[in-house]
Amino acid sequence: GAGVSQSPRYKVAKRGQDVALRCDPISGHVSLFWYQQALGQGPEFLTYFQNEAQLDKSGLPSDRFFAERPEGSVSTLKIQRTQQEDSAVYLCASSLARLAGSYNEQFFGPGTRLTVL
Amino acid sequence: GNSVTQMEGPVTLSEEAFLTINCTYTATGYPSLFWYVQYPGEGLQLLLKATKADDKGSNKGFEATYRKETTSFHLEKGSVQVSDSAVYFCALREGTGRRALTFGSGTRLQVQP
Repeated sequence: GAGVSQSPRYKVAKRGQDVALRCDPISGHVSLFWYQQALGQGPEFLTYFQNEAQLDKSGLPSDRFFAERPEGSVSTLKIQRTQQEDSAVYLCASSLARLAGSYNEQFFGPGTRLTVL
Repeated sequence: GNSVTQMEGPVTLSEEAFLTINCTYTATGYPSLFWYVQYPGEGLQLLLKATKADDKGSNKGFEATYRKETTSFHLEKGSVQVSDSAVYFCALREGTGRRALTFGSGTRLQVQP
């Protein structure tokens, strides 16, 4: 596709429900990132994949948050037993970067707005 | 840890006015610095970047200079347009190889005709 796509764009969950958010990165992009953006704040890093390997999950706020990218392309962010404080926009980004010292632009998707009631 | 501090908004300007949005940072090593922009209803887009001290990033009339001595990366534009109305985020990437971006809280710019 032309850019990073995310689905669903909007999700309303009752507290305690599990949710799954999908990210389709730009074709050929090796790196994939998840960020959480609370209302009125900047995005905060959650986790990072290089191909199918999850190399950094230091930003995941609790063990209720789980991300996977089993075939090195599409990624899913799962939140178990959702809480009201999980309400935010969840952003996915991808980039070409392969080498540890190199920089490649992160291209962001439109985000999934999660509201937990 | 890393952090980015931006001036609070909203910033309201008339068309053709001069824009400055302040950004300062705290980081490990020698970070790369970025400005991202989020137009209404759209996703985050990279506006400009600078990867080492004294570099100047520029794009679409916007400029920012990487000032290591003041740990700053202020965004400037000489003459804003209504179409520049958006939320602007300053961000950094550590120089240690860690790929995650650390963002500021964003500054909303409103340009009036």
